[in-house]
Amino acid sequence: EVQLVESGGALVQPGGSLRLSCAASGFTFSSYWMHWVRQAPGKGLVWVSRINGDGRRTDYADSVKGRFTMSRDNAKNTLYLQMNSLRAEDTAVYYCARDLTTVTTADINYWGQGTLITVSS
Amino acid sequence: DIQMTQSPSSLSASVGDRVTITCRASQSISTYLNWYQQKPGKAPKLLISVASSLRSGVPSRFSGSGSGTDFTLTISSLQPEDFATYYCQQSYHTPLTFGGGTKVEIK
Repeated sequence: EVQLVESGGALVQPGGSLRLSCAASGFTFSSYWMHWVRQAPGKGLVWVSRINGDGRRTDYADSVKGRFTMSRDNAKNTLYLQMNSLRAEDTAVYYCARDLTTVTTADINYWGQGTLITVSS
Repeated sequence: DIQMTQSPSSLSASVGDRVTITCRASQSISTYLNWYQQKPGKAPKLLISVASSLRSGVPSRFSGSGSGTDFTLTISSLQPEDFATYYCQQSYHTPLTFGGGTKVEIK
């Protein structure tokens, strides 16, 4: 069974930093593109970033480019999102997600339960 | 960036009704279009990929159609468990973008 478990959510001050982790199990982690998607309270879904299987390619939404860094440790089956220079508008539930198949790159199928980041002073 | 516009933003319907949700892309995306269902407090669930391919385990009352810029999600006979928010998402080009969502409520 595919499982994705996020951790690291917290209350952080504007300008601060935070690193999210996502522990993956139940599939060959290194074979899949992975994504981060966020959802502000009461709002819609917003794609944040994705990373390919070997970690050499990443793509980001313009709103986080230069501030967030996505990475992965395939030996540990863990996905990361390093978030710097946090802003109030980054407040959201952050979902870790896996792509549909080993050959797809943008079809988000499995999702974690989400972890809440609140940016506030 | 490719903008995805869903309509309506919300609708009220009764059990057994036929429900149609539309999604329009700001440029042609071929059939690179996914549909998700999200219930309150839960993660989204992929219902349909590449515009019309029903994912495993999704009831056959859900169907998707369209290509280019205009797409439709249809629920042929609304069931109590279908009351949720539905999102379209283009997978044609990064940044991946979602529609604003359509909340399906009980009439």
